[in-house]
Amino acid sequence: ETGVTQSPTHLIKTRGQQVTLRCSSQSGHNTVSWYQQALGQGPQFIFQYYREEENGRGNFPPRFSGLQFPNYSSELNVNALELDDSALYLCASSLGGRAFNEQFFGPGTRLTVL
Amino acid sequence: AQTVTQSQPEMSVQEAETVTLSCTYDTSENNYYLFWYKQPPSRQMILVIRQEAYKQQNATENRFSVNFQKAAKSFSLKISDSQLGDTAMYFCALEAGNNRKLIWGLGTSLAVNP
Repeated sequence: ETGVTQSPTHLIKTRGQQVTLRCSSQSGHNTVSWYQQALGQGPQFIFQYYREEENGRGNFPPRFSGLQFPNYSSELNVNALELDDSALYLCASSLGGRAFNEQFFGPGTRLTVL
Repeated sequence: AQTVTQSQPEMSVQEAETVTLSCTYDTSENNYYLFWYKQPPSRQMILVIRQEAYKQQNATENRFSVNFQKAAKSFSLKISDSQLGDTAMYFCALEAGNNRKLIWGLGTSLAVNP
């Protein structure tokens, strides 16, 4: 069973640029959630994708967007980067549905915006 | 609004001793789950233990146990026989209602000293 993977591990961008982060979900999982974790903070929910559809969104502006592909991998896109976007971005996969299913996390992508 | 509060930014414990991490939460939902996650320096978020709100019995996973006080909205984590490998950030998280997003506390940095 392959775990959740994320790429790249680290990324440095400048203000105003655009970035794409990638996540491969664990085998058999159809739901991916993205979180932003600023330094010294707990993660903040960005959005969730279930079977290729957005299934909930946190308090993030529209320049944060995402996709989920037929193989359930996912992308997080951030446009017009701001300094405050510097953070660890975590993705978690799970088996969707109404009953609780554990979310399995990837190792994260560390984004630095200069 | 749903909130999770961890009031202990840092804690330390001697190896082999017991430590308790505190967490309080707030939700108006009747159906919810509570979690403790561990985030070691490797950054990967790992589920330590979970508690379903409808279960009165406190969850236990080997050396980890919780004290779930539903009326007080309190959910503390007890680590027995602390090991050096327990050194990490510990986050308390809440998943409530049909919304699959996790609400996180700010975390407690635990250091286990030899």
